[in-house]
Amino acid sequence: EVQLVESGGGLVQPGGSLRLSCVGSGFTFKNHEMDWVRQAPGEGLEWVSFISNSGNNKYYADAVKGRFTISRDNAKNSLYLQMNNLRAEDTAVYYCARHPNCGYDCYHDYWGQGTLVTVSS
Amino acid sequence: EIVMTQSPATLSVSPGEGATLSCRASQSIGSTLAWYQHKRGQAPRLLIYGASTRATDIPARFSGSGSGTEFTLTISSLQSEDFAVYYCQQYTKWPLTFGGGTKVEIK
Repeated sequence: EVQLVESGGGLVQPGGSLRLSCVGSGFTFKNHEMDWVRQAPGEGLEWVSFISNSGNNKYYADAVKGRFTISRDNAKNSLYLQMNNLRAEDTAVYYCARHPNCGYDCYHDYWGQGTLVTVSS
Repeated sequence: EIVMTQSPATLSVSPGEGATLSCRASQSIGSTLAWYQHKRGQAPRLLIYGASTRATDIPARFSGSGSGTEFTLTISSLQSEDFAVYYCQQYTKWPLTFGGGTKVEIK
């Protein structure tokens, strides 16, 4: 059974940092591109960042470019999102989501249950 | 970026009735459209990809259609577990973008 489990969310002050993790199981993690997607309170889904299966290619939404860094450790079946200089508008549930084997431009076939990040003083 | 617009924002439906949800893209995306179901506190669930292909284990009462800029998700005979928020997503061009969602609620 494919599982994605996020962790690392919490309450952080504006300007602070947080590192999210996502562990995948039930599939060959190194074969899949991965994304982070977020949902702010009362809002819809917003794509945040993408990383290729090798980790060599990364894309970011304009809203987080220069502040967030996506990475992965295929030996640990893990995906990460380092979030720096956090702002109130970054408050959201953050989901990791898997691409099936259909290239970079793709939908998401499995999602985690999310981890809540709250940016507030 | 490609803007995805869903309508209506809320749809009130009685169990057993059908529902039609719409999604419009600001430019042509061919058939690179997915639909997701999302319940509060749960992981989003892939329903449809390629505009009309049901994902694994998705019941036949869910069907998708359309191409270019106009897309539809149809749920025939809603079951209790179908009341949720539904999102469309385009994956033809970066950034990947989602519609604002349609909430399907019990009438």
